[in-house]
Amino acid sequence: DQQVKQNSPSLSVQEGRISILNCDYTNSMFDYFLWYKKYPAEGPTFLISISSIKDKNEDGRFTVFLNKSAKHLSLHIVPSQPGDSAVYFCAASYTGANSKLTFGKGITLSVRP
Amino acid sequence: ETGVTQSPTHLIKTRGQQVTLRCSSQSGHNTVSWYQQALGQGPQFIFQYYREEENGRGNFPPRFSGLQFPNYSSELNVNALELDDSALYLCASRVGLAIRDEQYFGPGTRLTVT
Repeated sequence: DQQVKQNSPSLSVQEGRISILNCDYTNSMFDYFLWYKKYPAEGPTFLISISSIKDKNEDGRFTVFLNKSAKHLSLHIVPSQPGDSAVYFCAASYTGANSKLTFGKGITLSVRP
Repeated sequence: ETGVTQSPTHLIKTRGQQVTLRCSSQSGHNTVSWYQQALGQGPQFIFQYYREEENGRGNFPPRFSGLQFPNYSSELNVNALELDDSALYLCASRVGLAIRDEQYFGPGTRLTVT
Protein backbone atom coordinates (compact mmCIF):
# COMPACT_ATOMS: atom_id res chain seq x y z
CA ASP A 1 0.00 0.00 0.00
CA GLN A 2 1.86 3.04 -1.27
CA GLN A 3 0.95 6.07 0.79
CA VAL A 4 3.21 8.42 -1.18
CA LYS A 5 3.06 8.14 -4.95
CA GLN A 6 5.28 9.62 -7.61
CA ASN A 7 3.60 8.31 -10.71
CA SER A 8 6.00 9.66 -13.31
CA PRO A 9 9.31 7.78 -13.20
CA SER A 10 11.20 10.34 -15.24
CA LEU A 11 11.14 13.89 -16.57
CA SER A 12 13.32 15.60 -19.15
CA VAL A 13 13.44 19.41 -19.51
CA GLN A 14 15.55 21.95 -21.32
CA GLU A 15 18.02 24.03 -19.37
CA GLY A 16 16.45 27.32 -18.29
CA ARG A 17 12.90 26.00 -18.41
CA ILE A 18 10.68 25.05 -15.49
CA SER A 19 10.72 21.52 -14.01
CA ILE A 20 7.53 20.41 -12.26
CA LEU A 21 7.72 17.24 -10.18
CA ASN A 22 4.48 15.87 -8.81
CA CYS A 23 3.64 13.80 -5.75
CA ASP A 24 0.37 12.44 -4.36
CA TYR A 25 -0.37 11.00 -0.94
CA THR A 26 -3.22 9.01 0.51
CA ASN A 27 -2.76 9.29 4.29
CA SER A 28 -4.69 12.31 5.58
CA MET A 29 -2.65 12.19 8.81
CA PHE A 30 0.44 13.44 6.99
CA ASP A 31 1.14 17.03 7.95
CA TYR A 32 4.74 17.57 6.90
CA PHE A 33 6.21 17.02 3.47
CA LEU A 34 9.75 17.05 2.16
CA TRP A 35 11.66 16.77 -1.07
CA TYR A 36 15.05 15.10 -1.25
CA LYS A 37 17.53 15.02 -4.11
CA LYS A 38 19.81 12.05 -4.72
CA TYR A 39 22.86 11.82 -6.94
CA PRO A 40 24.35 8.41 -7.82
CA ALA A 41 26.57 6.92 -5.09
CA GLU A 42 25.40 9.55 -2.59
CA GLY A 43 22.69 9.56 0.05
CA PRO A 44 19.56 11.69 -0.36
CA THR A 45 20.02 15.33 0.60
CA PHE A 46 17.26 17.54 1.94
CA LEU A 47 15.98 20.11 -0.53
CA ILE A 48 12.86 21.80 0.79
CA SER A 49 9.91 21.10 3.07
CA ILE A 50 6.40 22.34 3.71
CA SER A 51 4.04 22.11 6.65
CA SER A 52 0.37 21.40 6.12
CA ILE A 53 -0.52 24.84 7.50
CA LYS A 54 1.03 26.40 4.40
CA ASP A 55 0.28 25.99 0.72
CA LYS A 56 3.59 27.26 -0.61
CA ASN A 57 7.21 27.39 0.44
CA GLU A 58 10.00 28.93 -1.57
CA ASP A 59 13.78 28.63 -1.36
CA GLY A 60 15.70 30.20 -4.20
CA ARG A 61 14.94 28.36 -7.42
CA PHE A 62 12.86 25.74 -5.60
CA THR A 63 9.20 26.14 -4.67
CA VAL A 64 6.94 23.49 -3.20
CA PHE A 65 3.17 23.78 -3.49
CA LEU A 66 0.73 21.83 -1.32
CA ASN A 67 -2.91 21.18 -2.16
CA LYS A 68 -4.33 19.44 0.89
CA SER A 69 -7.79 18.89 -0.49
CA ALA A 70 -6.32 17.05 -3.47
CA LYS A 71 -3.59 15.41 -1.36
CA HIS A 72 -1.10 16.62 -3.91
CA LEU A 73 2.18 18.46 -3.80
CA SER A 74 4.55 19.62 -6.46
CA LEU A 75 8.12 20.84 -6.65
CA HIS A 76 8.91 23.60 -9.12
CA ILE A 77 12.48 24.30 -10.18
CA VAL A 78 12.97 27.56 -12.06
CA PRO A 79 15.19 27.91 -13.98
CA SER A 80 16.34 24.32 -14.35
CA GLN A 81 20.07 23.72 -14.55
CA PRO A 82 22.05 20.66 -15.73
CA GLY A 83 23.31 20.20 -12.15
CA ASP A 84 19.70 19.59 -11.09
CA SER A 85 19.78 16.26 -12.92
CA ALA A 86 19.19 13.71 -10.16
CA VAL A 87 16.54 11.50 -8.59
CA TYR A 88 13.99 13.47 -6.56
CA PHE A 89 12.10 11.82 -3.73
CA CYS A 90 8.93 13.13 -2.16
CA ALA A 91 8.52 12.17 1.51
CA ALA A 92 5.78 12.68 4.08
CA SER A 93 5.37 12.35 7.81
CA TYR A 94 3.02 13.24 10.63
CA THR A 95 3.84 15.04 13.84
CA GLY A 96 3.86 12.70 16.79
CA ALA A 97 5.73 10.08 18.72
CA ASN A 98 7.76 7.60 16.69
CA SER A 99 7.06 9.50 13.51
CA LYS A 100 8.91 8.33 10.41
CA LEU A 101 9.38 9.42 6.83
CA THR A 102 7.41 7.66 4.10
CA PHE A 103 9.03 8.06 0.69
CA GLY A 104 7.74 7.86 -2.85
CA LYS A 105 9.57 5.87 -5.52
CA GLY A 106 11.34 8.91 -6.90
CA ILE A 107 11.48 10.76 -10.21
CA THR A 108 14.59 10.92 -12.37
CA LEU A 109 15.01 14.47 -13.65
CA SER A 110 17.25 15.10 -16.64
CA VAL A 111 18.03 18.70 -17.56
CA ARG A 112 19.33 18.99 -21.13
CA PRO A 113 21.94 21.70 -21.82
CA GLU B 1 29.20 16.01 2.37
CA THR B 2 26.77 15.19 5.21
CA GLY B 3 29.28 13.99 7.80
CA VAL B 4 27.52 10.61 7.91
CA THR B 5 29.61 7.66 6.79
CA GLN B 6 28.69 4.04 6.17
CA SER B 7 30.73 0.88 5.79
CA PRO B 8 31.22 -1.17 3.83
CA THR B 9 30.29 0.42 0.52
CA HIS B 10 29.39 -2.88 -1.11
CA LEU B 11 28.83 -6.34 0.28
CA ILE B 12 27.96 -9.73 -1.22
CA LYS B 13 26.46 -12.39 1.02
CA THR B 14 24.88 -15.79 0.57
CA ARG B 15 21.28 -16.59 1.48
CA GLY B 16 21.04 -17.68 5.11
CA GLN B 17 24.10 -15.76 6.25
CA GLN B 18 24.17 -12.84 8.69
CA VAL B 19 25.41 -9.33 7.96
CA THR B 20 26.33 -6.24 9.98
CA LEU B 21 26.28 -2.80 8.41
CA ARG B 22 27.81 0.21 10.13
CA CYS B 23 27.02 3.90 10.28
CA SER B 24 28.91 6.78 11.84
CA SER B 25 26.81 9.85 12.56
CA GLN B 26 27.74 13.44 13.21
CA SER B 27 28.69 14.25 16.76
CA GLY B 28 25.63 15.38 18.71
CA HIS B 29 23.16 13.53 16.51
CA ASN B 30 21.21 11.46 19.00
CA THR B 31 18.79 9.91 16.53
CA VAL B 32 19.70 7.46 13.80
CA SER B 33 17.26 5.92 11.34
CA TRP B 34 17.86 3.05 8.95
CA TYR B 35 16.20 2.67 5.56
CA GLN B 36 16.11 -0.06 2.92
CA GLN B 37 15.98 1.08 -0.71
CA ALA B 38 15.21 -1.72 -3.13
CA LEU B 39 15.91 -1.22 -6.82
CA GLY B 40 13.43 1.20 -8.37
CA GLN B 41 11.83 2.01 -5.01
CA GLY B 42 12.09 4.80 -2.49
CA PRO B 43 13.75 4.35 0.89
CA GLN B 44 11.63 2.34 3.29
CA PHE B 45 11.90 2.94 7.04
CA ILE B 46 13.32 -0.01 8.99
CA PHE B 47 13.73 1.41 12.50
CA GLN B 48 15.02 4.33 14.49
CA TYR B 49 17.22 4.62 17.58
CA TYR B 50 17.35 7.50 20.02
CA ARG B 51 20.02 7.59 22.70
CA GLU B 52 20.75 3.88 22.24
CA GLU B 53 17.16 2.66 22.46
CA GLU B 54 14.86 1.61 19.65
CA ASN B 55 12.27 4.30 19.14
CA GLY B 56 10.07 3.23 16.28
CA ARG B 57 10.02 0.39 13.80
CA GLY B 58 8.69 -0.09 10.28
CA ASN B 59 7.21 -3.21 8.75
CA PHE B 60 10.34 -5.37 8.95
CA PRO B 61 10.70 -8.77 10.65
CA PRO B 62 12.68 -9.25 13.89
CA ARG B 63 15.66 -10.64 11.98
CA PHE B 64 16.42 -6.98 11.27
CA SER B 65 17.93 -5.56 14.45
CA GLY B 66 20.10 -2.65 15.42
CA LEU B 67 22.37 -1.08 17.95
CA GLN B 68 23.34 2.49 18.66
CA PHE B 69 26.46 3.35 20.64
CA PRO B 70 27.38 6.37 22.78
CA ASN B 71 30.03 7.46 20.26
CA TYR B 72 27.32 8.21 17.63
CA SER B 73 27.98 5.05 15.68
CA SER B 74 25.32 2.44 14.97
CA GLU B 75 24.81 -0.96 13.40
CA LEU B 76 22.15 -2.71 11.38
CA ASN B 77 22.19 -6.50 11.71
CA VAL B 78 20.27 -8.81 9.42
CA ASN B 79 20.05 -12.53 10.20
CA ALA B 80 19.06 -15.38 7.90
CA LEU B 81 19.52 -13.31 4.75
CA GLU B 82 16.99 -13.72 1.97
CA LEU B 83 17.34 -12.84 -1.71
CA ASP B 84 14.83 -9.98 -1.25
CA ASP B 85 17.17 -8.36 1.27
CA SER B 86 19.32 -7.25 -1.67
CA ALA B 87 19.09 -3.45 -1.54
CA LEU B 88 20.83 -0.20 -0.71
CA TYR B 89 20.79 0.36 3.06
CA LEU B 90 20.85 3.98 4.17
CA CYS B 91 21.34 5.43 7.60
CA ALA B 92 20.29 8.96 8.49
CA SER B 93 21.01 10.95 11.60
CA ARG B 94 19.59 14.04 13.21
CA VAL B 95 19.94 15.92 16.44
CA GLY B 96 16.66 15.14 18.16
CA LEU B 97 13.48 13.13 17.76
CA ALA B 98 11.42 15.80 15.98
CA ILE B 99 10.73 14.69 12.44
CA ARG B 100 11.25 18.30 11.37
CA ASP B 101 14.89 18.18 12.45
CA GLU B 102 16.90 17.88 9.27
CA GLN B 103 18.08 14.35 8.58
CA TYR B 104 21.51 13.75 7.09
CA PHE B 105 21.90 10.60 5.05
CA GLY B 106 24.99 8.52 4.52
CA PRO B 107 25.92 7.25 1.04
CA GLY B 108 24.58 3.79 1.79
CA THR B 109 25.78 0.19 1.72
CA ARG B 110 24.85 -1.87 -1.33
CA LEU B 111 24.03 -5.42 -0.16
CA THR B 112 23.71 -8.24 -2.67
CA VAL B 113 22.37 -11.59 -1.48
CA THR B 114 23.02 -14.54 -3.79
